Amino acid sequence: EPEVTQTPSHQVTQMGQEVILRCVPISNHLYFYWYRQILGQKVEFLVSFYNNEISEKSEIFDDQFSVERPDGSNFTLKIRSTKLEDSAMYFCASKNLKNNQETQYFGPGTRLLVL
Amino acid sequence: GNSVTQMEGPVTLSEEAFLTINCTYTATGYPSLFWYVQYPGEGLQLLLKATKADDKGSNKGFEATYRKETTSFHLEKGSVQVSDSAVYFCALSDPIHSGGSNYKLTFGKGTLLTVNP
Repeated sequence: EPEVTQTPSHQVTQMGQEVILRCVPISNHLYFYWYRQILGQKVEFLVSFYNNEISEKSEIFDDQFSVERPDGSNFTLKIRSTKLEDSAMYFCASKNLKNNQETQYFGPGTRLLVL
Repeated sequence: GNSVTQMEGPVTLSEEAFLTINCTYTATGYPSLFWYVQYPGEGLQLLLKATKADDKGSNKGFEATYRKETTSFHLEKGSVQVSDSAVYFCALSDPIHSGGSNYKLTFGKGTLLTVNP
């Protein structure tokens, strides 16, 4: 069964450093998402990406964040200058085009720790 | 805005016990409702969903009914197993109007379930 994959599974970085989190969505999916979960808190929506542009972003997704689909398979989340409060589990998800009832499929997550 | 409130737990049960995890929501319009499960060390997996009022989603012995009158989507299972130990997330779909058939998920905080043999 096709699945969403994410790398790395864990990332430790120093405050102020740039990080890139990588995702490979399911191959025939066209909608892509990033969510994050700070330890002990809710899973929160960050951004939706479709047709090579951002469809919607949350207030969390400020100028320090960017997303890219650099080729036909990868979908990346970049944090330009990490802050302590960016420490969280980051989930990538993807969805088929068909209709708005289609399921979002999630990857296993990348645990980011900013020191 | 839309929101989801679910029983926080943790919930600890013995094998074969009955499980209920409460979930209520606040939403404008008619969202779809979901339960996702996260097994230890894994990502979020869809457990079941319901797309309109009075729909019942079911999977692996779990059930939840979309109750518009009480704005609830409680998760139930008649007889839990040790392998059901996981974190359970209730979520609703929030349309993204600029994106065609697109939506974002609004999640509850998650409920940790531990089932002991």
